[in-house]
Order: sequence, then C-alpha cells, then structure tokens
Amino acid sequence: GAGVSQSPRYKVAKRGQDVALRCDPISGHVSLFWYQQALGQGPEFLTYFQNEAQLDKSGLPSDRFFAERPEGSVSTLKIQRTQQEDSAVYLCASSSGQGIYEQYFGPGTRLTVT
Amino acid sequence: GENVEQHPSTLSVQEGDSAVIKCTYSDSASNYFPWYKQELGKRPQLIIDIRSNVGEKKDQRIAVTLNKTAKHFSLHITETQPEDSAVYFCAAINNDMRFGAGTRLTVKP
Repeated sequence: GAGVSQSPRYKVAKRGQDVALRCDPISGHVSLFWYQQALGQGPEFLTYFQNEAQLDKSGLPSDRFFAERPEGSVSTLKIQRTQQEDSAVYLCASSSGQGIYEQYFGPGTRLTVT
Repeated sequence: GENVEQHPSTLSVQEGDSAVIKCTYSDSASNYFPWYKQELGKRPQLIIDIRSNVGEKKDQRIAVTLNKTAKHFSLHITETQPEDSAVYFCAAINNDMRFGAGTRLTVKP
C-alpha cells in the first residue's frame, strides 16, 4: 500500500514568511509524529498525535510552530514568521497503534529560509 | 528526558566484513529501541527493532542486542554489501523519543 507522503518536497521561504507543511499518513494509522532533521543529525521530535488529539508538543521549539490534525488523518505543520534557523528537513511518521512503536517515515519536506 | 549517544560517527568496512554500531541511553524506563537506515536524500527506513523484554533479535544479516542493565544496544550487520552503505540511526523510546546522531557506514567493494 501507499506509504507516508509529504508535500511539498521542497520549500523556499523568505525570512518572515509563514509556511505550511502537509503530511498524509498511511491509511488507518492512528499515531502521527513530526520531526525536524538538521543536516548531518538525527531526527528531533517535535510533536505527536493520536487520532486528532495532540498528546505531546514538548518538542516544538517556539510558539511560532503549530501542528494540527483536525480529522485524525492528514496533518499540517505550520511555521509562522520563519527564521533562518528553521531551515531543516521536516519529517512526518505514522504508526498503526496507539503508541509510538514501528514508526514509518515520509520522504520529508526540505525547508530553506533565505 | 532521554539522551542517546551513538558510536562511531563514521564506519568504513570491506565488503563481506561485519559492522557493529553501538548506542547508549540514559532513561531506564525506555522500552523500545528501533534502528533506521537513511540513504542520502531519502526517508529513514525502519530496519529492525527490539523491545525491552528480549535481549536479541535477528533478521537475516541484521541483528540487534540489548543490555538493559548497562543501558546499551547494538546493531550488527554481517556479510556487508555495498548497498548497506547509508547513515544508520538508533533511537530509545519511552514517552520521550530520542534518536542518536547517526553513523555513516561505508562498505567498500
């Protein structure tokens, strides 16, 4: 079946612009995760949804970052007033259960803030 | 929160040799330890995982061992092939999800 998909794959934003990144999880997957991956580093946890409920947002670096999953499927990560340090690959992952096991990743969105 | 350290950061082996990557974690409550392989520009792919109630798991040429007392776990790849070349990430997960910084494995033909 289809895996996790993300769009856009690449995004260039000028500093101060708002961006929205989309994640389509594997159909039926209950849990959804967002990560930020800087060049040469491992993924850093941002936030976690179980269905439409955001259970953990402790990894969001500032109040400029906001994520939602209103119908428990597609999720959007929004970054307001982007800054250069926001440049990274944003990865989405989903898992079938209600926990954090066996996460399957999307291809990521590479965000470059100029 | 959890802290995961991964070693080595780079590893170069000859085709056919074995490769071992080690990770240590700090949170004794962590109970799930996945390993991901990430090729350049691609998504991380789950290659093997282990839960805290077992000490070893094997899948063909790949195995993972876990020592909960010492809080470390390792990835073992036998009979390495050039297509094993990638960056490998470990993670330790409880309520807090932490990945290691990655190991760049190069398998020379």
